[in-house]
Amino acid sequence: QSGLTQPPSVSAPPGQKVTISCSGSSSNIGNNYVSWYQQLPGTAPKLLIYENNKRPSGIPDRFSGSKSGTSATLGITGLQTGDEADYYCGTWDSSLSAGVFGGGTKLTVL
Amino acid sequence: EVQLVESGGGLVKPGGSLRLSCAASGFTFSSYTMNWVRQAPGKGLEWVSSISSSSSYIYYADSLKGRFTISRDNAKNSLYLQMNSLRAEDTAVYYCARSPAPGTHFDYWGQGTLVTVSS
Repeated sequence: QSGLTQPPSVSAPPGQKVTISCSGSSSNIGNNYVSWYQQLPGTAPKLLIYENNKRPSGIPDRFSGSKSGTSATLGITGLQTGDEADYYCGTWDSSLSAGVFGGGTKLTVL
Repeated sequence: EVQLVESGGGLVKPGGSLRLSCAASGFTFSSYTMNWVRQAPGKGLEWVSSISSSSSYIYYADSLKGRFTISRDNAKNSLYLQMNSLRAEDTAVYYCARSPAPGTHFDYWGQGTLVTVSS
């Protein structure tokens, strides 16, 4: 089953900005909404961004999402040590009729 | 408050079966699509299956090849996953997650239940 492609890891100092990319194809990202999830160590995933760029209630505006063609990007500004987590992109694949996730990106704030 | 509580995980031998349950509360269960997502130890998220609000639409990951069956009981606010012919590679934490509709995002997640397939 095809998945989405994310960098395994990213890092940046506190207070700075980081972006995480998510690459797919026309059957998934290209024709469906993208969502992003944050998974803190030892906890369940949490929705951060849905429908490409919308934030659920309670998610600070330091988190943003965008999509262009068959790629999507999660941006995090004003990095905090509490942002250290694994981040996953997800969408639907219309050809497979299946959900797909990226492999996850580990964010280190150093 | 939306709550999703999984149960039914445990240790099972290869070839065995297990039935997971997810008890939902805090929202109108019958109005939402429900899903199972799993995460093998130290690995990423893997979508397993989705079932629409009235069970009209059901989807599975190809890798499951007919071994898993998703179902729901709206009267009991419960979601289920029947897992048969279990393999070592099915070892994972299984999460129940809610979606507004099939093919959309997962807005609430349970805490997960661990399934270990080992002899």
